[in-house]
Amino acid sequence: GAVVSQHPSWVICKSGTSVKIECRSLDFQATTMFWYRQFPKQSLMLMATSNEGSKATYEQGVEKDKFLINHASLTLSTLTVTSAHPEDSSFYICSARREGLAGATDTQYFGPGTRLTVL
Amino acid sequence: GQNIDQPTEMTATEGAIVQINCTYQTSGFNGLFWYQQHAGEAPTFLSYNVLDGLEEKGRFSSFLSRSKGYSYLLLKELQMKDSASYLCAVGNAGNMLTFGGGTRLMVKP
Repeated sequence: GAVVSQHPSWVICKSGTSVKIECRSLDFQATTMFWYRQFPKQSLMLMATSNEGSKATYEQGVEKDKFLINHASLTLSTLTVTSAHPEDSSFYICSARREGLAGATDTQYFGPGTRLTVL
Repeated sequence: GQNIDQPTEMTATEGAIVQINCTYQTSGFNGLFWYQQHAGEAPTFLSYNVLDGLEEKGRFSSFLSRSKGYSYLLLKELQMKDSASYLCAVGNAGNMLTFGGGTRLMVKP
């Protein structure tokens, strides 16, 4: 199966600092990656769609200046949480879309997630 | 917009069969996905349906009725390791996924 990695797995930071999370597709190229946020006992909420070589598309209510997304290559997207605050503490999960072959559907494969705790 | 409903919690016995239902209302449908998510981990892909009918994959099967906006995930021969959340997700024309709230399945001995 397709493999997507995320780094770091967890991070603890002070309020006001910035944190960068990397998402890599290890064995396929992904023109599109997605960033989700998940609070405890809740489902995944899509934050933004990351497109290689162009600007990310943010969901309603997600501040683009706070959550900076860069998709510089076909295998790497980064999410930077700027000036993090305790309410940003959450589980951040990326996914990479693998295009289907021979008419098969595209499938999203998820990274292992990054648990962010802002003190 | 999308509206996806699935039960919050279910309990079943080891070795039994359990069916997790998902209903959806959507504008623009491009398939229904089921994911399994263990606590503290990312979701893993289980199944995909875009045509009506049943897709079987080992102990897991998934069913779709597009006219009814309905899907279910069927888990047979339940094992303790199947205790997890099961997420129903609808894909739109842009292949973006909208997730339901997830169903927490607890398998008891």
